[in-house]
Amino acid sequence: AQSVSQHNHHVILSEAASLELGCNYSYGGTVNLFWYVQYPGQHLQLLLKYFSGDPLVKGIKGFEAEFIKSKFSFNLRKPSVQWSDTAEYFCAAHNYGQNFVFGPGTRLSVLP
Amino acid sequence: ETGVTQTPRHLVMGMTNKKSLKCEQHLGHNAMYWYKQSAKKPLELMFVYSLEERVENNSVPSRFSPECPNSSHLFLHLHTLQPEDSALYLCASSQGTALNTEAFFGQGTRLTVV
Repeated sequence: AQSVSQHNHHVILSEAASLELGCNYSYGGTVNLFWYVQYPGQHLQLLLKYFSGDPLVKGIKGFEAEFIKSKFSFNLRKPSVQWSDTAEYFCAAHNYGQNFVFGPGTRLSVLP
Repeated sequence: ETGVTQTPRHLVMGMTNKKSLKCEQHLGHNAMYWYKQSAKKPLELMFVYSLEERVENNSVPSRFSPECPNSSHLFLHLHTLQPEDSALYLCASSQGTALNTEAFFGQGTRLTVV
């Protein structure tokens, strides 16, 4: 069965620092990849998604992610974080015949 | 507002109670999901319905019973739960279960079993 792993459980950054959150998935075939964000007390929201085409995907709020097929990775990046980015971030994968599988999440705390 | 509405937002129930969680989507999707979100654990997929047929039951105990009367509504009936069932229960919907679709989530029901 497919699995998704995220490298960090909790990341603490100061405002304006650069962010990179790691995500790896296990499936070798065609796969859709997602990053979702969950702000405190709110629902899961889609940040960005990769279906096909350009492996560098741009999402909302200045986030981007790069799909590297050879590394089975889909890392999330942001050049300069803000206090309002404090949230939990979930990587997810979806491949043919399977359902959406989520990673365990990474909690991001941004210090003002 | 995500287009997926869950009620109630919070629920406290005793181990002998019977209650139901409701999910409604206004997106015209034909697939709906129940996930369980517990602290420090990945989202656990519980059930998947596609075109009102259950297509996945992820080894969920029978004290959880889903119902999908139509493509817009999904219920999770609860009975004789255990304290370890306390969690955030999330409903999601998507346009089918094939590739090139994304899941939209509701705000969840925070369930506490006492």
